[in-house]
Amino acid sequence: DAGVTQSPTHLIKTRGQQVTLRCSPKSGHDTVSWYQQALGQGPQFIFQYYEEEERQRGNFPDRFSGHQFPNYSSELNVNALLLGDSALYLCASTPWGGAQETQYFGPGTRLLVL
Amino acid sequence: SQQGEEDPQALSIQEGENATMNCSYKTSINNLQWYRQNSGRGLVHLILIRSNEREKHSGRLRVTLDTSKKSSSLLITASRAADTASYFCATGGYQKVTFGTGTKLQVIP
Repeated sequence: DAGVTQSPTHLIKTRGQQVTLRCSPKSGHDTVSWYQQALGQGPQFIFQYYEEEERQRGNFPDRFSGHQFPNYSSELNVNALLLGDSALYLCASTPWGGAQETQYFGPGTRLLVL
Repeated sequence: SQQGEEDPQALSIQEGENATMNCSYKTSINNLQWYRQNSGRGLVHLILIRSNEREKHSGRLRVTLDTSKKSSSLLITASRAADTASYFCATGGYQKVTFGTGTKLQVIP
């Protein structure tokens, strides 16, 4: 049973570019959340998708957008990259509705913006 | 924003010693969770304690929760080099998880 998978593992971009990160949830999970973790900090919630709709959003600008596909996989898009967007981006999945109280995290995508 | 502070920010101990890290949070909670992160990679869920519980054990882990003080502690007994990692407390459930700032634990063989 595969856990949460993310691609790519590492990515280098320059300021102003756009990036797309991908996530496949754990089998049986239909809800995907994205987190940004800056170096030396705890992860911060970006947004959550369920039934292909954004259900909750953290304090992130509109440059951060997402999508969920019918197979529950998800993408995180960041436009007009800034140096401050350099971080580890984590995807987490869980079943909707609280049947499980915890979220399962993927290994992350490390983004470096130069 | 972060849920709260963790203390200490960094901890270095010898293998076999116990490690204790503390977490404070700001809002009322249904549960509190602890996660481990190795070398800046994915988070591994360790243990969940509900708001009506005061103490919980899992293997070498012991978690306490004091809702009146909005604080929790994680004790790792008989530490091993493989326990070297960052440890985060977190609140929330299936909709959103809010993390603390983390404690970086180094266990020296």
